[in-house]
Parts: sequence; C-alpha cells; structure tokens
Amino acid sequence: GQQLNQSPQSMFIQEGEDVSMNCTSSSIFNTWLWYKQDPGEGPVLLIALYKAGELTSNGRLTAQFGITRKDSFLNISASIPSDVGIYFCAGRKNTGTASKLTFGTGTRLQVTL
Amino acid sequence: NAGVTQTPKFRVLKTGQSMTLLCAQDMNHEYMYWYRQDPGMGLRLIHYSVGEGTTAKGEVPDGYNVSRLKKQNFLLGLESAAPSQTSVYFCASSFLRVATPASSYNEQFFGPGTRLTVL
Repeated sequence: GQQLNQSPQSMFIQEGEDVSMNCTSSSIFNTWLWYKQDPGEGPVLLIALYKAGELTSNGRLTAQFGITRKDSFLNISASIPSDVGIYFCAGRKNTGTASKLTFGTGTRLQVTL
Repeated sequence: NAGVTQTPKFRVLKTGQSMTLLCAQDMNHEYMYWYRQDPGMGLRLIHYSVGEGTTAKGEVPDGYNVSRLKKQNFLLGLESAAPSQTSVYFCASSFLRVATPASSYNEQFFGPGTRLTVL
C-alpha cells in the first residue's frame, strides 16, 4: 500500500531554532493532516488542511497545503523541549464513505538544550 | 470524556495463541479504525468500521478479525498470533463526514496504543 514520504526522517535541533519538515506523494490528496506522537502515546492532531494553497497556524506551528495537492509542509518556530516527538503527515483522498487516511513514515524531532 | 481507550496496554503472546484487543470511545463516533505501527512504517490500516454491525478490510487485514457489536466498541482479534504481528496497535474513531464545511472536528482521534509482542 501507498505511504507518504516524509523528510527529514529525523533531526536534532537546538532549543529556539525553527524547524521545517515536509511530506510528498505521487498522487493527489484533498485533505492533509499533521499529527504529533509523544513517546508511549497515540497521535494527536495538530493541524488540518482542506484547500490547496491553504496556510494554517496553531500557535508556533504553521502548515501549508501544497498547490499541486501532492505535498504539505510543517514549520515549528522557536522550538522548545516539549516539541520532542514524532510528527506524521496524513492524506485523505475523500473517496468512498469511510474517512481513510494514508500516513507518512514520520519525522522524529529531538531537541538539545 | 475519556476519549478513546484501549485495553490492554501491553501484552506478550506465544506463537499460535489468540487474543482480543478492545477499543472503546465515548464520543458517539460512527467510524472506528484499527492501525498497526511498525518502526519506519508509519501507521497502516488493518480494519475499519463505518457503523455498528459493519466492518471492512483496510490495507493489512490478513491474520486479524474485527467486530463492532456496539457503536462504542471495536474489537480486534488475533486467532493465531505470529511473530510478524509484533507491533503497536492503535485504535481511532471519527464522526461521519457529512456535507458541511471541512473541520478538524471530523478528524480521527487516537487511543494510547497497545504494545503487543509475539514470541
């Protein structure tokens, strides 16, 4: 089955730095989502994007729905230690009746003090 | 609201044993899902349900069965566990998508996971 490509796979950054990660696909999605997973927990929704070109913020997080509908980007500004975790993108094609998602492989973020 | 809960949190099985994972949600969601998460693979959909009494196969359904006898519960069964089923299992639920403006309110909420090891 298809999985979305996320990059980078992992990154170490210093507290206070800005972070950028992206997610790409070979096919079009009509919804892009960004989840964060803390160690030992389930994914938690951060940002949802529903229109091509849409730019949405949630506190220090900003995500964009790529104009081609084949990619999405997540930026974190002024990183702090609690930003540590795995960030997943997910796409939905809105076909069928169930809200099925395709997930990315994840970006592991580690912050050094 | 407890949200989405999963039972048990951890389990170790021997090859060939059977077990059932329980997912419960108190948000009156119509849709429920079971995923597995393996290192470097993201989350992959095993089975899902669009309502009480209905189930459907996802991306990786082999070796698993599911049942949704009550709207709030979704059970995942392993009839004969294999080492390849060692994984972290996540349940999720969501509202039925209707013709309303897209909203994060309709997106999937996840449980805390069950870590299963098959020896």
